[in-house]
Amino acid sequence: ETGVTQSPTHLIKTRGQQVTLRCSSQSGHNTVSWYQQALGQGPQFIFQYYREEENGRGNFPPRFSGLQFPNYSSELNVNALELDDSALYLCASSSLQGGGYTFGSGTRLTVV
Amino acid sequence: SQQGEEDPQALSIQEGENATMNCSYKTSINNLQWYRQNSGRGLVHLILIRSNEREKHSGRLRVTLDTSKKSSSLLITASRAADTASYFCATTNQAGTALIFGKGTTLSVSS
Repeated sequence: ETGVTQSPTHLIKTRGQQVTLRCSSQSGHNTVSWYQQALGQGPQFIFQYYREEENGRGNFPPRFSGLQFPNYSSELNVNALELDDSALYLCASSSLQGGGYTFGSGTRLTVV
Repeated sequence: SQQGEEDPQALSIQEGENATMNCSYKTSINNLQWYRQNSGRGLVHLILIRSNEREKHSGRLRVTLDTSKKSSSLLITASRAADTASYFCATTNQAGTALIFGKGTTLSVSS
């Protein structure tokens, strides 16, 4: 059984640029969620994907968008990066039947 | 907005001691989960307690849930240096699509 894999692990971008983060979900999990965690804070829900469609969204602007692919892997895209987007981005997979989530190790994004 | 709030924000203990962390939440829940995070990396699911359960054990972990007080506690017995991490409680939103985390408790266990 494989866990959740995220890439890249670290990334530095310039304000105004665009970024794509990737996530491979755990085997058997059909739901992928993305979270943003600022330093010293708990993770904040960005959105969830199920069957390649957005299944719920947190309080994030439209420049945060995502995709889920037929193999349940996912991408998070952020356009027009701002300094406040600097954070740890976490991907989590789960089964819609409930239970705990399996998180990846995260991508540390720094916007300068 | 944050649903769960952990208390204390930081806790320092010696190896062998017990560590207790508390979590309060605001709305009714189906379940409450506890996660551990090492050094700002990924979260590890520790335990899930359903709203009709009052206590649950997993190894050295004991979780209690009091739905009348909207609170939960996580007890780690006989702490080890490897337990040093941040601990978060999380509930789910009404739609069941999102985990809502508190700010966490940072536990430091010294040998």
